[in-house]
Amino acid sequence: EAGVTQFPSHSVIEKGQTVTLRCDPISGHDNLYWYRRVMGKEIKFLLHFVKESKQDESGMPNNRFLAERTGGTYSTLKVQPAELEDSGVYFCASSPGRSYNEQFFGPGTRLTVL
Amino acid sequence: AQSVSQHNHHVILSEAASLELGCNYSYGGTVNLFWYVQYPGQHLQLLLKYFSGDPLVKGIKGFEAEFIKSKFSFNLRKPSVQWSDTAEYFCAVRKIGGGGNKLTFGTGTQLKVEL
Repeated sequence: EAGVTQFPSHSVIEKGQTVTLRCDPISGHDNLYWYRRVMGKEIKFLLHFVKESKQDESGMPNNRFLAERTGGTYSTLKVQPAELEDSGVYFCASSPGRSYNEQFFGPGTRLTVL
Repeated sequence: AQSVSQHNHHVILSEAASLELGCNYSYGGTVNLFWYVQYPGQHLQLLLKYFSGDPLVKGIKGFEAEFIKSKFSFNLRKPSVQWSDTAEYFCAVRKIGGGGNKLTFGTGTQLKVEL
C-alpha cells in the first residue's frame, strides 16, 4: 500500500511569488491534515479536512494560505504571495475514517522563500 | 494554550547506553499521547502511542514510554540504544473533547548515537 506522498520535495521561490504544494493521502483515508515546521521550532498544525470539508482550519497563519481538497482525494496548499517567514517544511498526514486514529505522515515539502 | 515540552534538544549517546527523553504537556484534560521518529532522509513514523489502559506502552524497535498522569509526562525510554536509533524524536499530544483531531508537537529531540 502506498503511503502519503507530497510534491514537490523541495521548492525555492522568491518573496512575492506563488507556490502550490500537493499532498496525496493514503487511498481511502477521509482525514487529511497539513502541518508546518519552521526551522528549529515545533511542528505546528495548519488544518484538517474530512473528505472535502475543512473540519478545523484554526492553525492557518493568514489569508495568504489557501488549502483545497476537491473531490475529497488529494489536497493542495497554495501560498500567495509567499513571504520569508513561510519558509519551512510542510507535512501532510492522513488517517482513516474515524478521527481518532494514527496519522500517517508524508515526507514533507521543504519550502525556501528567498 | 496547550503546549508540549521536550527538555532535551540534542542528545549524544554511545551505543548500548540507556536513553530517556523527557516530554511534558500542559493540558489538564484527557489526552492521547504519541512519540514519532524521523530517521535521516525519511518521513515521520509512529513509534508508540497511549490512548488508555496500561500507562506503560511498548512500541517498535524496543522503545517504551510511561504515562504519568500526575506529572503530565510521557517519557520515552530504551534500555540500550543502537547506532541506527540516530534520528529526531517528537512527542505529540491530542486533546480529547473540543480539541479536534490535531496533534500538538514538542520541538523535537535530535539523538545521535556514536559507535
